[in-house]
Amino acid sequence: EIVLTQSPGTLSLSPGERATLSCRASQSVSNSFLAWYQQRPGQAPRLLIYHASSRATGIPDRFSGSGSGTDFTLTISRLEPEDFAVYYCQQYGSSPVTFGGGTKVELK
Amino acid sequence: QVQLQESGPGLVKPSQTLSLTCTVSGASISSGGYYWSWIRQHPGKGLEWIGNINYRGTTDYNPSLKSRVTISGETSENQFSLRLSSVTAADTAVYYCARGITWFDPWGQGTLVTVSS
Repeated sequence: EIVLTQSPGTLSLSPGERATLSCRASQSVSNSFLAWYQQRPGQAPRLLIYHASSRATGIPDRFSGSGSGTDFTLTISRLEPEDFAVYYCQQYGSSPVTFGGGTKVELK
Repeated sequence: QVQLQESGPGLVKPSQTLSLTCTVSGASISSGGYYWSWIRQHPGKGLEWIGNINYRGTTDYNPSLKSRVTISGETSENQFSLRLSSVTAADTAVYYCARGITWFDPWGQGTLVTVSS
């Protein structure tokens, strides 16, 4: 199965700053079949991005995804207070689908 | 708007079978070409896909859990269920149901299941 490694483990930033989160796969993710989720404390994950760069319905345009092959990035252009949360990547290019370990974006 | 809601016991004894149900509203589990999944999250940890059932009732499971998992659908109730046998403390987790086989959207709120005697 494909192992996804997210870095950094924790990102300490202030509102208004730019966040850059990385997701690296142990082998190439076919067709860039990669999604990103946001999880706030006590809540279920929420889909942000699919197909590596397509925003899900209702997701603000400050969230963007990029990458292909084994390296993918989620960028939050200007952090809002509600963006401080844990972010997970997930690949669906090969079975079984797998998730990364998460990156926590915390208030500096 | 599609909504999912998990239900079931919050405490299961070791070696017993964990049983959860996901009730879907706003969509039919037996039409539309959709797949319906179970995903779990160990306390403070990442996410693990358990398996899915599709609109035709066909199932697929994570090989790591396949020997212990059964997912079934109850179309008259618009529900699908998870059964995980021979549970141990390692199966303590928040269990989510979600729509999808590729990306998952939406998710239920999740239900914590603790395995303990």
